Amino acid sequence: AQSVTQPDIHITVSEGASLELRCNYSYGATPYLFWYVQSPGQGLQLLLKYFSGDTLVQGIKGFEAEFKRSHSSVNLRKPSVHWSDAAEYFCAVAPFRGDFGNEKLTFGTGTRLTIIP
Amino acid sequence: DSGVTQTPKHLITATGQRVTLRCSPRSGDLSVYWYQQSLDQGLQFLIQYYNGEERAKGNILERFSAQQFPDLHSELNLSSLELGDSALYFCASSPHREAPKQYFGPGTRLTVT
Repeated sequence: AQSVTQPDIHITVSEGASLELRCNYSYGATPYLFWYVQSPGQGLQLLLKYFSGDTLVQGIKGFEAEFKRSHSSVNLRKPSVHWSDAAEYFCAVAPFRGDFGNEKLTFGTGTRLTIIP
Repeated sequence: DSGVTQTPKHLITATGQRVTLRCSPRSGDLSVYWYQQSLDQGLQFLIQYYNGEERAKGNILERFSAQQFPDLHSELNLSSLELGDSALYFCASSPHREAPKQYFGPGTRLTVT
């Protein structure tokens, strides 16, 4: 069965510092990979997705992720965080299929990001 | 704004009751997914409908059921509610024949007292 591990439950960084959130997955083949952000009281917003091709993927809000097949990881990065980045971040996977329209997401447990001034 | 709407935003009810959560997908999206987010279980996939038909089932209790109507909106029915059913319930939709990308609604927060 596929699984997603986010080893860091809570991370605190200073505003302006760089950020890296870790995500490892377990799956028989390379799945589709996603990072979502959830602000307090809000729904989930897609930051970026990886399907194939370049292993460095650019997302919204200045985020990027590097996919490493050998490590089964897709870590989320941002060079300089802003106070508005404080939120919960979820990594998710979906099975790779040729027929789209049937991909449930399996989520990690999330990493809560706190930004200090 | 993802284009997915969910009503109601908040719901408070008592144990043993039944509630219905409603989801309207983005215009043209054929797939609707339901997820439950709770403190102890995290974000879990419940069920998926595609163009009116059930496509996939996850960790959905027998007390829960869902359906997707001809206009593609979906309802999640929760019955014989228990305290442990208190959670945030998300609906997501995705377009047909595109690489998977799910758009999430704002969620319905259910509190069972």
